Amino acid sequence: SQTIHQWPATLVQPVGSPLSLECTVEGTSNPNLYWYRQAAGRGLQLLFYSVGIGQISSEVPQNLSASRPQDRQFILSSKKLLLSDSGFYLCAWKGTLHYTEAFFGQGTRLTVV
Amino acid sequence: AQSVTQLGSHVSVSEGALVLLRCNYSSSVPPYLFWYVQYPNQGLQLLLKYTSAATLVKGINGFEAEFKKSETSFHLTKPSAHMRDAAEYFCAVSDLTGGFKTIFGAGTRLFVKA
Repeated sequence: SQTIHQWPATLVQPVGSPLSLECTVEGTSNPNLYWYRQAAGRGLQLLFYSVGIGQISSEVPQNLSASRPQDRQFILSSKKLLLSDSGFYLCAWKGTLHYTEAFFGQGTRLTVV
Repeated sequence: AQSVTQLGSHVSVSEGALVLLRCNYSSSVPPYLFWYVQYPNQGLQLLLKYTSAATLVKGINGFEAEFKKSETSFHLTKPSAHMRDAAEYFCAVSDLTGGFKTIFGAGTRLFVKA
């Protein structure tokens, strides 16, 4: 069966520090991968998605970047964090059919101080 | 383009009462619709999905949803609320453009009173 791992679960970082969040998927090949952010009391905002190795699409301009160095690995990064980067970050994967559902990791709670 | 709108950011029911969470969709083609649940500080979990096979879809934990094309709705219901149902619920639709993306509604937080 497929599983998705996301770490760390919580992270407190000072303003201006770098960020690296990692997500890996097991049990499937060539998944579509997604990074979402969920601000307090708000819905899910799609940040990035990837349909293949090295292929990254950005949905919103921001202080973050994403990379997909391997088929089942998706990384969210920042060179210098801002206070506004605080939030709950979720990684998800989905198959290549429109009627399939997305599967989510457990999320990372990022607090920038 | 596909989109969903959830009516009501907060819904409060008594334990044992009917749960009704509203979702309306916008799509020029038959949509693929989903309901997810999120417990505090966790990822989202699929409750059920509509893929045009049947208009009444049964999901996990006693939830079900009915696809009504005439009303462009996909409301989530449960006959009898339980305390453990307290969570945030998201309606979603598959974006049929590139990337196989999922578009989420703003979410509805369900409170269950004892």
